[in-house]
Amino acid sequence: EVQLVESGGGLVQPGRSLRLSCAASGFTFDDYAMHWVRQAPGKGLEWVSGISWNSGSIGYADSVKGRFTISRDNAKNSLYLQMNSLRAEDTALYYCAKARGALDYWGQGTLVTVSS
Amino acid sequence: EIVLTQSPGTLSLSPGERATLSCRASQSVSSSYLAWYQQKPGQAPRLLIYGASSRATGIPDRFSGSGSGTDFTLTISRLEPEDFAVYYCQQYGSSPPRATFGGGTKVEIK
Repeated sequence: EVQLVESGGGLVQPGRSLRLSCAASGFTFDDYAMHWVRQAPGKGLEWVSGISWNSGSIGYADSVKGRFTISRDNAKNSLYLQMNSLRAEDTALYYCAKARGALDYWGQGTLVTVSS
Repeated sequence: EIVLTQSPGTLSLSPGERATLSCRASQSVSSSYLAWYQQKPGQAPRLLIYGASSRATGIPDRFSGSGSGTDFTLTISRLEPEDFAVYYCQQYGSSPPRATFGGGTKVEIK
């Protein structure tokens, strides 16, 4: 059974940093690209970032480019999102998702709240 | 950057009725890279359709996707009570990995 479990969310002040993690199990992690998608309270889905199976290809949404860094550790079956210079508009539930082209499995998300 | 516009914003229907949801792209999208997701309150999104018309594993055949170019459609042939939810279309690519979501259509009980 595929499982994706996000962690690392919490309340953080504007301008500070946070690192999210996603622990994957139930599939061969290093065979697949992975993504982060977020959802602000009461709003729609927003793609944040994606990374290829070998970290050789990475993409970011314009809204986070230069502030967020995606990475993965295939030996640990883990995906990460380093978020720097956080803003109030980054407040959202952050999902990690496995990509088989489309996003076929999603975690339950970790909540990030940026507020003073 | 491709923008996906979904319509209508809200669809009010009764169980048993047919639902037709639209997703329009600002420029042509390869059909191979268009997906639809369902999201219920308090839950993560679930993949319904990929490649514009292929059902994901375990998705009932009352869900179907069609379209090409800039116009795509998700059809639910007969609404079941569990189908009332928000639906998102998504365009995706792999080099580099990227995605764009539409704003969503809420299907509510009339």
